[in-house]
Amino acid sequence: DAEITQSPRHKITETGRQVTLACHQTWNHNNMFWYRQDLGHGLRLIHYSYGVQDTNKGEVSDGYSVSRSNTEDLPLTLESAASSQTSVYFCASSVGQGQAFFGQGTRLTVV
Amino acid sequence: KNQVEQSPQSLIILEGKNCTLQCNYTVSPFSNLRWYKQDTGRGPVSLTIMTFSENTKSNGRYTATLDADTKQSSLHITASQLSDSASYICVVTSLDSNYQLIWGAGTKLIIKP
Repeated sequence: DAEITQSPRHKITETGRQVTLACHQTWNHNNMFWYRQDLGHGLRLIHYSYGVQDTNKGEVSDGYSVSRSNTEDLPLTLESAASSQTSVYFCASSVGQGQAFFGQGTRLTVV
Repeated sequence: KNQVEQSPQSLIILEGKNCTLQCNYTVSPFSNLRWYKQDTGRGPVSLTIMTFSENTKSNGRYTATLDADTKQSSLHITASQLSDSASYICVVTSLDSNYQLIWGAGTKLIIKP
């Protein structure tokens, strides 16, 4: 079955370290998204991509970067982790305006 | 500014009872509205999608309504079950900004036996 997987599921890192969260989907969807979810907030868009070599900034992109070298993967990199980036991160994929399918999430703690 | 507001923030009801969750939005121009269910520790899963011309859409015990004039939507859950305990999130797609999804903060629903 097609799916979208995130790794790791849990990560603890130190302030200032570079961290990369992986997202892999097997639906062959063109659209991929990274969100963060914090208590009391809706999901907030970090970065998104509409295809290979295409990346765009979302509403909370500062301190994050992505790259899209193939259809299946959109890794999210925190260049220099900060405590404010402690959150749950969700990756999603979709076709056009169709339903977005989400991964299981990655809980990141920056200490 | 495009916004989606949901109420109540949280709700506790007894198993078997009905409930209605509210969503108000200021997103313009409007493309569609989805309700997602998010179980604890998991990613959101779409329940329904409604476009401008649709007033009501059902998915089993879930019924969503949309009033595009007042920019309001509701999600009604009938005969609640323990498995309905989750967060329910309203998401509106804007025709601007490359069809950006505007997410509400969600309503946390707890069903008690």
